[in-house]
Amino acid sequence: GAVVSQHPSRVICKSGTSVKIECRSLDFQATTMFWYRQFPKQSLMLMATSNEGSKATYEQGVEKDKFLINHASLTLSTLTVTSAHPEDSSFYICSARIRQGALGQYFGPGTRLLVL
Amino acid sequence: GEDVEQSLFLSVREGDSSVINCTYTDSSSTYLYWYKQEPGAGLQLLTYIFSNMDMKQDQRLTVLLNKKDKHLSLRIADTQTGDSAIYFCAEKDQAGTALIFGKGTTLSVSS
Repeated sequence: GAVVSQHPSRVICKSGTSVKIECRSLDFQATTMFWYRQFPKQSLMLMATSNEGSKATYEQGVEKDKFLINHASLTLSTLTVTSAHPEDSSFYICSARIRQGALGQYFGPGTRLLVL
Repeated sequence: GEDVEQSLFLSVREGDSSVINCTYTDSSSTYLYWYKQEPGAGLQLLTYIFSNMDMKQDQRLTVLLNKKDKHLSLRIADTQTGDSAIYFCAEKDQAGTALIFGKGTTLSVSS
């Protein structure tokens, strides 16, 4: 099946620094990638939808200047958390869509971010 | 807006059946999904059902859909300790692109 990887799997950083998370589709091209955030014991909340070659579409309440998304190629999207603060600590999960339809979305393993 | 609700916890004994329930609000959803998340891991698609189906069976998994009541359930037969995880119900958003998830049901299986 389709494989999506994320890097790094875990990151600890100091408050005020920026962190970049990569999401790659390993064996398929993804025209659309999604970024989700998951708090402990909570559901996944969609942060933004990223289309290759165009600006990301952010969900209401998500600061686009804080969470920078770049989808420069059909196999790579990056999420940069700028000037991270402890409240940004969370589990970030990306997914990639192959095509429209039922099985078109595959999830990465997630990145655990801890901001001290 | 769209909303998906699930009960938060379910505890069963190994060998019993587990039934996880979900209600959703968007009647235009074409597909409904069940995902499994093991501790510290991403999401694994378990199964899905098309909205014009009432039931779908896949080995130990049975999905029931009551479209009138907007109720979806996942039954796991002969539950094993390896089934312990969080199970998320999801529907596609109105644009038909991203997924809207419930809060997840934590299934605990005791031996």
